[in-house]
Amino acid sequence: GQNIDQPTEMTATEGAIVQINCTYQTSGFNGLFWYQQHAGEAPTFLSYNVLDGLEEKGRFSSFLSRSKGYSYLLLKELQMKDSASYLCAVRDSNYQLIWGAGTKLIIKP
Amino acid sequence: ETGVTQTPRHLVMGMTNKKSLKCEQHLGHNAMYWYKQSAKKPLELMFVYNFKEQTENNSVPSRFSPECPNSSHLFLHLHTLQPEDSALYLCASSQAGGSGANVLTFGAGSRLTVL
Repeated sequence: GQNIDQPTEMTATEGAIVQINCTYQTSGFNGLFWYQQHAGEAPTFLSYNVLDGLEEKGRFSSFLSRSKGYSYLLLKELQMKDSASYLCAVRDSNYQLIWGAGTKLIIKP
Repeated sequence: ETGVTQTPRHLVMGMTNKKSLKCEQHLGHNAMYWYKQSAKKPLELMFVYNFKEQTENNSVPSRFSPECPNSSHLFLHLHTLQPEDSALYLCASSQAGGSGANVLTFGAGSRLTVL
């Protein structure tokens, strides 16, 4: 079957750096997405990786290794507003999105 | 209003009630989706509409009935639900077609509680 694994919960300190990992086993690969979801709000798009390597966008970066079935989301200079759930999703060979259960990130002062 | 708007934001219903969830998008997208989000579980795709035509029904029980009258509006009609149907129901839209980034834009969801 198809599967996306990411940690259930992580805690980090304001101003620090945190890396949220995502591993996947899917039928084919047509891109990997990261979304951010604050409690009670809509998931919002953060990043899209389809080729290996690092994509940087301000304080957030996303890395992909297709050979390892692995991605991470790197958040730098953490702010309290970064407390949210982070959802990893992979588009498979049928262009269906396979979702992880999300990682709840708690930022402490 | 821009983006994807869902109403109502919260709904409590009994197992014998009939209610509807509404979703509206003003992004010019031509694909719309219903997802179910339960605590600590992956998003579950329920229905997909492309250009108003239903293209996916992921083995969803018939007590959930979607309707897409035009490319901007999507409804989810609910009847004789079960307590396990309590969840956050998310609507999303995108450009149709699977290639490229084809990012989903989500609404804030309708929190459904079935008593």
